[in-house]
Amino acid sequence: DQQVKQNSPSLSVQEGRISILNCDYTNSMFDYFLWYKKYPAEGPTFLISISSIKDKNEDGRFTVFLNKSAKHLSLHIVPSQPGDSAVYFCAASGLIQGAQKLVFGQGTRLTINP
Amino acid sequence: KAGVTQTPRYLIKTRGQQVTLSCSPISGHRSVSWYQQTPGQGLQFLFEYFSETQRNKGNFPGRFSGRQFSNSRSEMNVSTLELGDSALYLCASSLLRHEQYFGPGTRLTVT
Repeated sequence: DQQVKQNSPSLSVQEGRISILNCDYTNSMFDYFLWYKKYPAEGPTFLISISSIKDKNEDGRFTVFLNKSAKHLSLHIVPSQPGDSAVYFCAASGLIQGAQKLVFGQGTRLTINP
Repeated sequence: KAGVTQTPRYLIKTRGQQVTLSCSPISGHRSVSWYQQTPGQGLQFLFEYFSETQRNKGNFPGRFSGRQFSNSRSEMNVSTLELGDSALYLCASSLLRHEQYFGPGTRLTVT
């Protein structure tokens, strides 16, 4: 049962344009959402997060949008840079069946073309 | 402050063998979580340890086990290895809820 889904395994974007990565979740008990970025041969690094009480959080070129009614979140990167090429994981956190869970999606490989 | 370290970085084992992976968390972090990463499956949660106690467990068979020591260092053991266990095993430590810091991972290949 994949509670957090990233339906696009890969995405290719021109440098300078906007990159939009999407993530859907199924469990309404999730109350905190995160995006991680992963380069090859390295562990994931935290990028940006959003609490369920907000619908938008911005940090420089990165903005995360949360649509609770649709159980959908997205990460916008603008403008996209070659160094943004990496695998992006979304994650959802919440108290599920009495335990704090952090569930990751399958990841989306973003390639920024010069 | 030193980051999360994992040893070894690469490992090749044959089916039926067992393996032990090690993780040293960031100093002061008492929570350590383990994940398995395979292509198309993302990061699958294995288990979490806090103060030497398993606090959370994912949906993996009993062949996968772990422990945490008093200095918060953690080990993960997989017995009777199967080909499907080939993956990148990631360890993450945290001080606060949500903020997980990952190590570089151990790439396990089972032949």
